[in-house]
Amino acid sequence: AQTVTQSQPEMSVQEAETVTLSCTYDTSESDYYLFWYKQPPSRQMILVIRQEAYKQQNATENRFSVNFQKAAKSFSLKISDSQLGDAAMYFCAYRTFYNTDKLIFGTGTRLQVFP
Amino acid sequence: DGGITQSPKYLFRKEGQNVTLSCEQNLNHDAMYWYRQDPGQGLRLIYYSQIVNDFQKGDIAEGYSVSREKKESFPLTVTSAQKNPTAFYLCASSIGDRGGNEQFFGPGTRLTVL
Repeated sequence: AQTVTQSQPEMSVQEAETVTLSCTYDTSESDYYLFWYKQPPSRQMILVIRQEAYKQQNATENRFSVNFQKAAKSFSLKISDSQLGDAAMYFCAYRTFYNTDKLIFGTGTRLQVFP
Repeated sequence: DGGITQSPKYLFRKEGQNVTLSCEQNLNHDAMYWYRQDPGQGLRLIYYSQIVNDFQKGDIAEGYSVSREKKESFPLTVTSAQKNPTAFYLCASSIGDRGGNEQFFGPGTRLTVL
């Protein structure tokens, strides 16, 4: 069974600085998708970034980028130029390429941003 | 605006009662999902539906039931058989059955058992 691990329950960063959130996963599959979701205090889950495992190029979305290391089964999220609005819970999630039933989530990392 | 709505936002239930959480989407999505979120844990899948009149159990379906009579609606009933129902419930939908499709989430319902 696939598992997703986020080993950092809490992280903090100063405004305008860069922070990296860690995520590791376990799978025997070769094709899959990885996601980072943001859950602000409103508790609405918002997709931040998506990575296809068959693509070697790391995904980027404005200030958000990932470091995808397939062999190491690592999928970290880098937030550059952190803003106060980035404060939230961040969840790493895994989804198989063929089986469409569910996202498998990590336990989340709470990010605090200080001015 | 297209999106997913969940109601109510807060729900209180007495022990032994069944309650139904509403989830509606106007995104014309085929697939819909129910997740449960507990403190310190990630989201866990309760039920999902890929098409009208069809649904499958997720990892923690015991004590829950669903229906999918319309494409836009996927209500979740929390029955008295659910031993620890106090949690935050999130509904999601996606365009179809490809693994890379984004799941869009509703704002959630907080259920508390008194």
